[in-house]
Amino acid sequence: GAGVSQSPSNKVTEKGKDVELRCDPISGHTALYWYRQSLGQGLEFLIYFQGNSAPDKSGLPSDRFSAERTGGSVSTLTIQRTQQEDSAVYLCASSLRWNSYEQYFGPGTRLTVT
Amino acid sequence: DQQVKQNSPSLSVQEGRISILNCDYTNSMFDYFLWYKKYPAEGPTFLISISSIKDKNEDGRFTVFLNKSAKHLSLHIVPSQPGDSAVYFCAASAEGQNFVFGPGTRLSVLP
Repeated sequence: GAGVSQSPSNKVTEKGKDVELRCDPISGHTALYWYRQSLGQGLEFLIYFQGNSAPDKSGLPSDRFSAERTGGSVSTLTIQRTQQEDSAVYLCASSLRWNSYEQYFGPGTRLTVT
Repeated sequence: DQQVKQNSPSLSVQEGRISILNCDYTNSMFDYFLWYKKYPAEGPTFLISISSIKDKNEDGRFTVFLNKSAKHLSLHIVPSQPGDSAVYFCAASAEGQNFVFGPGTRLSVLP
């Protein structure tokens, strides 16, 4: 594909359930980033991957959040035991290298926890 | 503790006039700054960037100015067009890691 894709585009889940968000980066991009945007807030950095490894996980809001990347491509962000404050748009971005400043964003997944 | 601030949540400008979007930061370790534009229901798209070794970068109608001593940068759009109406995010990075975004400024260009 030409750009970063994310699925699902919308997800409504009940409080306490687990959700899994998927990101397909641009082919050949070695770096992948997860952000979230809560209503009225700026973009909040969550985690980035260099290849399949995540050097810094300190941006994840709690231990209910985890992310993995396999094969240097697809990444999944998992939120366990979702809470209402997890409701946000989760954005994925990729870049050619980990220290490339230009990032290409996907359309996001809108998560609503009821 | 907001490291990147965009104090104007919204801005309205007449078509053809100059739009000036402002951004302030607190972390002196930031060495690269970017502006992203975001339309509703789309991800942000990269617009223009500037390294801390420069004070100005120009790309067509878009110019970014950096004042390191004031920890301030601004994005100028001249002339403004209705298609420029979007939310603009300022972002900063230290050594290409952990990008920090501001809350965004919604620009409305009025025809």
